[in-house]
Amino acid sequence: DVKVTQSSRYLVKRTGEKVFLECVQDMDHENMFWYRQDPGLGLRLIYFSYDVKMKEKGDIPEGYSVSREKKERFSLILESASTNQTSMYLCASSFGQGVRNTEAFFGQGTRLTVV
Amino acid sequence: KNEVEQSPQNLTAQEGEFITINCSYSVGISALHWLQQHPGGGIVSLFMLSSGKKKHGRLIATINIQEKHSSLHITASHPRDSAVYICAVSRSNTDKLIFGTGTRLQVFP
Repeated sequence: DVKVTQSSRYLVKRTGEKVFLECVQDMDHENMFWYRQDPGLGLRLIYFSYDVKMKEKGDIPEGYSVSREKKERFSLILESASTNQTSMYLCASSFGQGVRNTEAFFGQGTRLTVV
Repeated sequence: KNEVEQSPQNLTAQEGEFITINCSYSVGISALHWLQQHPGGGIVSLFMLSSGKKKHGRLIATINIQEKHSSLHITASHPRDSAVYICAVSRSNTDKLIFGTGTRLQVFP
């Protein structure tokens, strides 16, 4: 089974801190995604990556950056955490390699609270 | 207006009832996904379909491309089906998903 693992289930950080959320997948997937999920808004794409060192902005990239130095790992960075970044963060991966319509696999989510 | 709309937002049912969740979309798609999210956050893919109908156990998903509409049916519902069900679409020529806001289902014994 594909496994997508996020480093933390719950995090509490202070305003202004630099925050790293880590995601690792074990199926050699090319595509990796970071979403945030907020009540009434659903999941929104922050960034995605279709290969090592490749990244593309999603719908709400402001205040975030990403890093993909290795194929299996995709990191989301909050440069200076703010209270409006309190949310559930979900990582996902899919096969890629030009193959369309492949299933997405999700991590268990990280609930981040910024105080 | 959201590109992917789900209805209803909330749904309660008695164990054994037949349940339908609807999803409409307004963009060109290459595939539609139904996802399940249990309390605690993790999301599981239930179906991915681009035409017709798929069945897995008590779950059935249908899509009408012309009408831009999909339904998820649960037959003989059970309390363990209680979860949030999310519809998402893959835009043509991209792997990115656009999500509906989800339907929260509670099934009571």
